[in-house]
Amino acid sequence: TQLLEQSPQFLSIQEGENLTVYCNSSSVFSSLQWYRQEPGEGPVLLVTVVTGGEVKKLKRLTFQFGDARKDSSLHITAAQPGDTGLYLCASRSGNTPLVFGKGTRLSVIA
Amino acid sequence: DAGVTQSPTHLIKTRGQQVTLRCSPKSGHDTVSWYQQALGQGPQFIFQYYEEEERQRGNFPDRFSGHQFPNYSSELNVNALLLGDSALYLCASSLVGTGNVFFGSGTRLTVV
Repeated sequence: TQLLEQSPQFLSIQEGENLTVYCNSSSVFSSLQWYRQEPGEGPVLLVTVVTGGEVKKLKRLTFQFGDARKDSSLHITAAQPGDTGLYLCASRSGNTPLVFGKGTRLSVIA
Repeated sequence: DAGVTQSPTHLIKTRGQQVTLRCSPKSGHDTVSWYQQALGQGPQFIFQYYEEEERQRGNFPDRFSGHQFPNYSSELNVNALLLGDSALYLCASSLVGTGNVFFGSGTRLTVV
């Protein structure tokens, strides 16, 4: 089973700051997904990356997939309190179920 | 179009009791997966149902069982509850052959 390590575990920043969170594995990802989970809710899919070196942007969020497909990062520009939540990366291989990391808990303070 | 719905939203049970959680998948979806999310952890896969059969199973004991009905809805049953079973139980639905998975808001189970 592929293990996903996310860092940092916790992050508390002021509104307007930039931040980057990471997802790493010793194995190659076939694809990787990023989710955001707010308190009392289920995870919501933000993006899926498939190709090594791929960069995807979603408003102020930039997702990057490593060239070797063993790591990924999520960068948030000018963070807002609405970005607060648990950011999870998840991977699957073929028809296997999603395997999640433990997540990065982000708190953006106004 | 309703998304994935789960019931109940919260539940408190005593050690040794049994519990049943319910999930209705997103319209058009035929596959239901269940995850357990302990406090401070990412979701862990319990099992997946497709065509009313358990297709894949994670590393969970036989106390965890499930069922899928002809209308694709699903139940998760946990017997002989332990304190460590306290968690958020998430249901996720998808359409076989596609990659997008949609999660419900979960059932928060507390075992006392």
